[in-house]
Amino acid sequence: TQLLEQSPQFLSIQEGENLTVYCNSSSVFSSLQWYRQEPGEGPVLLVTVVTGGEVKKLKRLTFQFGDARKDSSLHITAAQPGDTGLYLCAGATSGTYKYIFGTGTRLKVLA
Amino acid sequence: DTGVSQNPRHKITKRGQNVTFRCDPISEHNRLYWYRQTLGQGPEFLTYFQNEAQLEKSRLLSDRFSAERPKGSFSTLEIQRTEQGDSAMYLCASSLEAWQGPNEQFFGPGTRLTVL
Repeated sequence: TQLLEQSPQFLSIQEGENLTVYCNSSSVFSSLQWYRQEPGEGPVLLVTVVTGGEVKKLKRLTFQFGDARKDSSLHITAAQPGDTGLYLCAGATSGTYKYIFGTGTRLKVLA
Repeated sequence: DTGVSQNPRHKITKRGQNVTFRCDPISEHNRLYWYRQTLGQGPEFLTYFQNEAQLEKSRLLSDRFSAERPKGSFSTLEIQRTEQGDSAMYLCASSLEAWQGPNEQFFGPGTRLTVL
């Protein structure tokens, strides 16, 4: 069974602080996605990474895919209250089209 | 609006009743997925269609669950004889088969089911 573990599960920080969320697995993924989900809504795709060691930036968010394509991280610089939400990573293995989701990191940024 | 849409957004039903949810994917997307999400958890894969063919079903999808995509466009998910444990958010996602590059899924807003 493929498992994607996210850490931390919960994070409450002050506006302006930096944070990193981790997504780890023993499986190798052909691609990995990060989503943000707000209460009562579906997940919204933030980024897709496919190459080991790849780094992508989306404004204040930096995403990195591990060299072995088994793990990923999301770093947020100078967090803002609008960053509050559930952050999910999801990985797909080669030859399948379904994504396995992590358990999520619930982030709260206090003003 | 060209995103994935789902109806209804909320459904409250009594135990033992049947319910049906609908998903309209992004128009050119040939792949469609159903997921279930319970409180505090990430989405769990239920089933996947490529065009009208249902190619994969999770073991989570008991005999009471059935999904269809008759014309390769919209899809329905039916739950028969609902149980309280079926209470969850049911999410639909779609993607476009790409010969190169990753398979990027886009989600709808979900249908929240409450079984009393």
